[in-house]
Amino acid sequence: GAVVSQHPSRVICKSGTSVKIECRSLDFQATTMFWYRQFPKQSLMLMATSNEGSKATYEQGVEKDKFLINHASLTLSTLTVTSAHPEDSSFYICSARDAPPDRASGNTIYFGEGSWLTVV
Amino acid sequence: GQNIDQPTEMTATEGAIVQINCTYQTSGFNGLFWYQQHAGEAPTFLSYNVLDGLEEKGRFSSFLSRSKGYSYLLLKELQMKDSASYLCAVNDYKLSFGAGTTVTVRA
Repeated sequence: GAVVSQHPSRVICKSGTSVKIECRSLDFQATTMFWYRQFPKQSLMLMATSNEGSKATYEQGVEKDKFLINHASLTLSTLTVTSAHPEDSSFYICSARDAPPDRASGNTIYFGEGSWLTVV
Repeated sequence: GQNIDQPTEMTATEGAIVQINCTYQTSGFNGLFWYQQHAGEAPTFLSYNVLDGLEEKGRFSSFLSRSKGYSYLLLKELQMKDSASYLCAVNDYKLSFGAGTTVTVRA
């Protein structure tokens, strides 16, 4: 099946610094990627939808200037957490779609492995 | 907005059957996914329903009723490794997730 790679898997940064997380589709072209965050024992919350070659669409309550998303190519989207604070510590997960869902396979949304961000 | 409800926790015995219900009220609907998520890991795909009825995949089955806004995931012959969180997600081009149901399998 399709593979989505996310890097780094774990990162620790100092408060006030910025950190970048990469999401790559390894064997398919993803015109759309999704970024989620997940706090412990909570569900995935969609942060933004990343479209190749255009600006990301952010969900309500997500700060655009704090969570910068760039989707420069069909296989790479990046999430940059700027001026990170301890409350930004979370599990960040990307997913990519390679085609509209179809009944036969159903699974056309692939998740990266996730990135644990700890801000100290 | 999206409203997706599922029970918070369920406990069952090894070898038993557990049914996880999911009800949804969403602005759009283009199918419903079930995912399994172990602690600290990304979700893994279990099933996808877009038409009413039952989809069976080995020990896991999923059912959908679009008119009722209802789905369930059925886990049969439970194994200890099935202890995880199970997420119901409605697809409307993007996925909206329920809060997840933590299933604990006891020996």
